[in-house]
Amino acid sequence: AQSVTQLGSHVSVSEGALVLLRCNYSSSVPPYLFWYVQYPNQGLQLLLKYTSAATLVKGINGFEAEFKKSETSFHLTKPSAHMSDAAEYFCAVSDPFREYGNKLVFGAGTILRVKS
Amino acid sequence: GAGVSQSPSNKVTEKGKDVELRCDPISGHTALYWYRQSLGQGLEFLIYFQGNSAPDKSGLPSDRFSAERTGGSVSTLTIQRTQQEDSAVYLCASSLGLADYNEQFFGPGTRLTVL
Repeated sequence: AQSVTQLGSHVSVSEGALVLLRCNYSSSVPPYLFWYVQYPNQGLQLLLKYTSAATLVKGINGFEAEFKKSETSFHLTKPSAHMSDAAEYFCAVSDPFREYGNKLVFGAGTILRVKS
Repeated sequence: GAGVSQSPSNKVTEKGKDVELRCDPISGHTALYWYRQSLGQGLEFLIYFQGNSAPDKSGLPSDRFSAERTGGSVSTLTIQRTQQEDSAVYLCASSLGLADYNEQFFGPGTRLTVL
């Protein structure tokens, strides 16, 4: 079965500092990986996705993530945090061969707080 | 263009009542998903529809939960005899289907409160 672990349910950074949100996955097949962001009382918005092309993936709002197969990781980074980045972030995995169907398996989420 | 829409945005019901939650996917999207987001369980997959194929119901937590998709478009999630543990935000998502690397677009959700 596929699973996702997000280390740290809460992360706090100062405005302008590096953002690093950690995600590790478990999958028996090379997965597709996603980062979603959720602002209060809103649905999930896709930040970026890895689909077996380039291992360094750039997304919206200055975020990027690097797929590291050897570490089974897909950490999300942003060089300089902005107040508007405060939200909850979810890492998710899906199976490109659909052994597990088409569903996304989500991590528990990380709430990012940005201090002024 | 229009995104995924869900109605109602909030629903408060009494224990034991039935509720129906509606999802309008993005036009042209053949795949539709329901997820549940709750404090204790995080984001959980419930059910998935793809075109005319039989739905994947593997995530439905009990036989009180059912869903249908009429005409390959609008979907309704029905919860019968609601329980307090059904309180959660129910999220609907749609995608183009097999050609889009599983990118799913989410609606704003329906917040269900069972008293």
